[in-house]
Amino acid sequence: QVQLVQSGAEVKKPGASVKVSCKASGYTFTGYYIHWVRQAPGQGLEWMGRINPNSGDTNYAQNFQGRVTMTGDTSINTAYLELNRLRSDDTAVYYCARDRTWFPFDYWGQGTLVTVSS
Amino acid sequence: DIQMTQSPSTLSASVGDRVTITCRASQSISSWLAWYQQKPGKAPKLLIYKASSLEGGVPSRFSGSGSGTEFTLTISSLQPDDFATYYCQQYNRYRTFGGGTKVEIK
Repeated sequence: QVQLVQSGAEVKKPGASVKVSCKASGYTFTGYYIHWVRQAPGQGLEWMGRINPNSGDTNYAQNFQGRVTMTGDTSINTAYLELNRLRSDDTAVYYCARDRTWFPFDYWGQGTLVTVSS
Repeated sequence: DIQMTQSPSTLSASVGDRVTITCRASQSISSWLAWYQQKPGKAPKLLIYKASSLEGGVPSRFSGSGSGTEFTLTISSLQPDDFATYYCQQYNRYRTFGGGTKVEIK
């Protein structure tokens, strides 16, 4: 069965970086995009960007350009989200999700809470 | 960037009510629209894709319609399990979510 399993919760200080992982199983990792979506406490869903694990090509939302890096390791079927220069308003649950071209997100990770606090 | 505007942001309804949520895109997205349901502490769950196609296992009381820039999600007879937050998402170009609609018990 398809699973996306994310790394555990993180607590970071302002200005630091965080790296969240998303391990895929049950399907061909290189056949689907991996997207990252975040949700601040009590707020809506915000798309951050995506990676094509097959090519390594990425597309980032304008709000995160210059501060985010998405990578993938096809040898262990794992995608990564790195967010730099953290601020308190980056406190959120970060989700990974998969899709294919012209299809919506059909599987999601369980979410990773990142707390940014001094 | 394509902006998605959902309304209302909150909706109070009773079990058995017919509920309609609207989503508007800032430019045409053809039928590349999905609807998700999210419950507290959980990842969103896909309900509808390509504007009107029901995802497998989703009850038939959920339906979607629209194309271009105007879309609706309808729940024909609200059930206790349906009290949740609903999001639209465009996947015509990259991805954007609407702001969400929380369906509350009246």
